[in-house]
Amino acid sequence: EDQVTQSPEALRLQEGESSSLNCSYTVSGLRGLFWYRQDPGKGPEFLFTLYSAGEEKEKERLKATLTKKESFLHITAPKPEDSATYLCAVQALFSGGYNKLIFGAGTRLAVHP
Amino acid sequence: GAVVSQHPSRVICKSGTSVKIECRSLDFQATTMFWYRQFPKQSLMLMATSNEGSKATYEQGVEKDKFLINHASLTLSTLTVTSAHPEDSSFYICSARDGDFRGELFFGEGSRLTVL
Repeated sequence: EDQVTQSPEALRLQEGESSSLNCSYTVSGLRGLFWYRQDPGKGPEFLFTLYSAGEEKEKERLKATLTKKESFLHITAPKPEDSATYLCAVQALFSGGYNKLIFGAGTRLAVHP
Repeated sequence: GAVVSQHPSRVICKSGTSVKIECRSLDFQATTMFWYRQFPKQSLMLMATSNEGSKATYEQGVEKDKFLINHASLTLSTLTVTSAHPEDSSFYICSARDGDFRGELFFGEGSRLTVL
């Protein structure tokens, strides 16, 4: 069964304390892995798409990496405004059609001054 | 980046009434739009895939007659919650893809439905 698991469920960091969020997946035929940021009461905001193992993408304090089994979202020197829920989603080839995204439960990040 | 607009952002209705939520792609054409439902502190659950000019594809366990989806144009999809009940109260989010399956998927701001 296609599955996406994110860890930890919640993470509390001090401002400037770097860390990583994990997204592990078991899907048949990965067509892409997506990272989104979601603020309370808002829709997800697109961050990155990764398509193949070894690929990396960066945006400000965020860096996403991908292996054959998992993806990491590295947060370097986070600031309070980075506090949000970070969602990982995979697009799978055989999950009812390749247009379908399977979401993980998310990691709730809180960055304190 | 591409913008997806969702309306209304909040709606409160009485049990038994129907509620329509609109999802528009503002600066691109979307042949496919997706409707998700999200419960508090939970992730997004795909309800259905909306295809322009054809019937929507519903996920297992989602009632087609309960959640009516219409994708009448390349920029507009609507979700109608029919005969709403309190258990239908949730956060509904639409998304649209800019391009083919490799295109980015952009989300609307979501619609908070409260059924009294």
